[in-house]
Amino acid sequence: QVQLQESGPGLVKPSETLSLTCTVSGASISSYYWSWIRQPPGKGLEWIGYVYYSGTTNYNPSLKSRVTISLDTSKNQFSLKLTSVTAADTAVYYCGKGWTGWFDPWGQGTLVTVSS
Amino acid sequence: QSVLTQPPSASGTPGQRVTISCSGSTSNIGSNTVNWYQQFPGTAPKLLIYTDNHRPSGVPDRFSGSKSGTSASLAISGLQSEDEADYYCAAWDGSLNGPVFGGGTKLTVL
Repeated sequence: QVQLQESGPGLVKPSETLSLTCTVSGASISSYYWSWIRQPPGKGLEWIGYVYYSGTTNYNPSLKSRVTISLDTSKNQFSLKLTSVTAADTAVYYCGKGWTGWFDPWGQGTLVTVSS
Repeated sequence: QSVLTQPPSASGTPGQRVTISCSGSTSNIGSNTVNWYQQFPGTAPKLLIYTDNHRPSGVPDRFSGSKSGTSASLAISGLQSEDEADYYCAAWDGSLNGPVFGGGTKLTVL
């Protein structure tokens, strides 16, 4: 059974970099595509980007200039970095297995608040 | 504003059949498969339907998906109180070169 768990700071200051890690168990990260998705409080879902074990990445055009997603195969983890954050980046951030719109499973999510 | 359009709300009484629509375009639903998610407050979305009309193991057959042209629908038959949740559609968009979501539909069981 594949399980994902997000981790990282819950509070980030404006203009700084948001960094999150997703730890995968029950599957090798060297297979499949892995995505980050976020959900602002009370709003809908937004795909952020995905990474493949080969190192291939693809990002939402609206965030592309600020996003980096990378893999750490030794730890079976993948990570998200989002630079120059503002209050609009406050959201629950989910990691998930998949890339086409078919995401299964999802991590439980972690709330990141951008505030000074 | 979401690329895929869903009604913000839907409702039904126990036992009733309800449908939730998801409208897109030729670059997403019209040329790619649709997936549906169920989300309860404070929890992560859960895959409900994949590739238009397939149910993952454990999802009751009361839930079904369909697609025609650039629109898709999620149908819930024999509505139960525990079906009260938010429902999202998602599909790959060839123009944006990434997956897109609907804005979500809040289902209320009256």
